[in-house]
Amino acid sequence: KAGVTQTPRYLIKTRGQQVTLSCSPISGHRSVSWYQQTPGQGLQFLFEYFSETQRNKGNFPGRFSGRQFSNSRSEMNVSTLELGDSALYLCASSQLGEDTEAFFGQGTRLTVV
Amino acid sequence: GEDVEQSLFLSVREGDSSVINCTYTDSSSTYLYWYKQEPGAGLQLLTYIFSNMDMKQDQRLTVLLNKKDKHLSLRIADTQTGDSAIYFCAETLRRNRLAFGKGNQVVVIP
Repeated sequence: KAGVTQTPRYLIKTRGQQVTLSCSPISGHRSVSWYQQTPGQGLQFLFEYFSETQRNKGNFPGRFSGRQFSNSRSEMNVSTLELGDSALYLCASSQLGEDTEAFFGQGTRLTVV
Repeated sequence: GEDVEQSLFLSVREGDSSVINCTYTDSSSTYLYWYKQEPGAGLQLLTYIFSNMDMKQDQRLTVLLNKKDKHLSLRIADTQTGDSAIYFCAETLRRNRLAFGKGNQVVVIP
């Protein structure tokens, strides 16, 4: 079974631009969560999608958004990029429901210059 | 609350045991996890424990859970150089939302 796949692995963007990151969960998994990892703040929850619906959202500004498609693949979008958005963005896949094992992808390293 | 606390750094000799500790805050968490992160990589799920268990053993890994004190520990027996990494504990909040500790860097000295 393939693991969680995130694309691209690395990205460099300029302040003010927008970016879209992609996550393909493990086959059969319906829940996808996104996390931001920075040296200062550690791992912070962004949002979680289940069956194309956002069920849970962390404390991030509206510039951060996401969606999930019918095949469970998810994208997150960050608009009007700021230097502080530079981070490793991690996606986690869970089978269904609540409180199940979460498997992470390798992440997308975003650098904003 | 979402404060999961971990100590920051541990140095251990190859072949010794290493113990990493974590304190969590949400007593309703169903699962408690340990993840490993190697440089430049994502998070690898090492093991987890249900909140109704006190101990779980998985090969070289032993997880101990003290629900009364909200204390979780991970013991790695016979630590190898490949165990050098950052280890995160995490608790589940609502709907697959995980709250992570700051991580504990383990350096294994050959």
